[in-house]
Amino acid sequence: DGGITQSPKYLFRKEGQNVTLSCEQNLNHDAMYWYRQDPGQGLRLIYYSQIVNDFQKGDIAEGYSVSREKKESFPLTVTSAQKNPTAFYLCASSIYREGISSGANVLTFGAGSRLTVL
Amino acid sequence: RKEVEQDPGPFNVPEGATVAFNCTYSNSASQSFFWYRQDCRKEPKLLMSVYSSGNEDGRFTAQLNRASQYISLLIRDSKLSDSATYLCVVDGGDSSASKIIFGSGTRLSIRP
Repeated sequence: DGGITQSPKYLFRKEGQNVTLSCEQNLNHDAMYWYRQDPGQGLRLIYYSQIVNDFQKGDIAEGYSVSREKKESFPLTVTSAQKNPTAFYLCASSIYREGISSGANVLTFGAGSRLTVL
Repeated sequence: RKEVEQDPGPFNVPEGATVAFNCTYSNSASQSFFWYRQDCRKEPKLLMSVYSSGNEDGRFTAQLNRASQYISLLIRDSKLSDSATYLCVVDGGDSSASKIIFGSGTRLSIRP
């Protein structure tokens, strides 16, 4: 079955350490995204990529880095520069779907990675 | 003012009741609208798209009011399994991910 796989599901990190979250999709989607969700809040965009070897900053990119060397993979590194990294991280991918009113990105999400800084 | 606003709830209703949520958006140029469902500690999943003419999927009905810039979700004959957080999503309508804005979600709890 096609889908998005994120790993690890749970991750604990000491302050000052970099960690990398994996995201792999076999949906043949061109676009991939990383979101962060804090308790009681909506999703905030960290980075996104529409094609291989290209990516753009989202609303809260500081302290994070990404790469897009393959269409299927979009890993996220949470660096020590991210001051409050404890959160639920969600990876998503999308196709561009023509709707009744206009085209629209419909997102498919991975199961998420929950990062806790000790 | 937030770009997408939702009543956070929680809405606590008995099984079988009808419940409705609204979501307002600030960008009048927004083109596409969605409702996602998110269970506790899980990823969001697409519930339904919201079309200009309104659309229905079983017990769920979505409406769009462009003049007042809000979308709504109506759930009829609610089930215990409908308990979740419902996220309103507004899309600027082009291929840019940065135009996709999520609301903070409305929490729904169905009691027996």
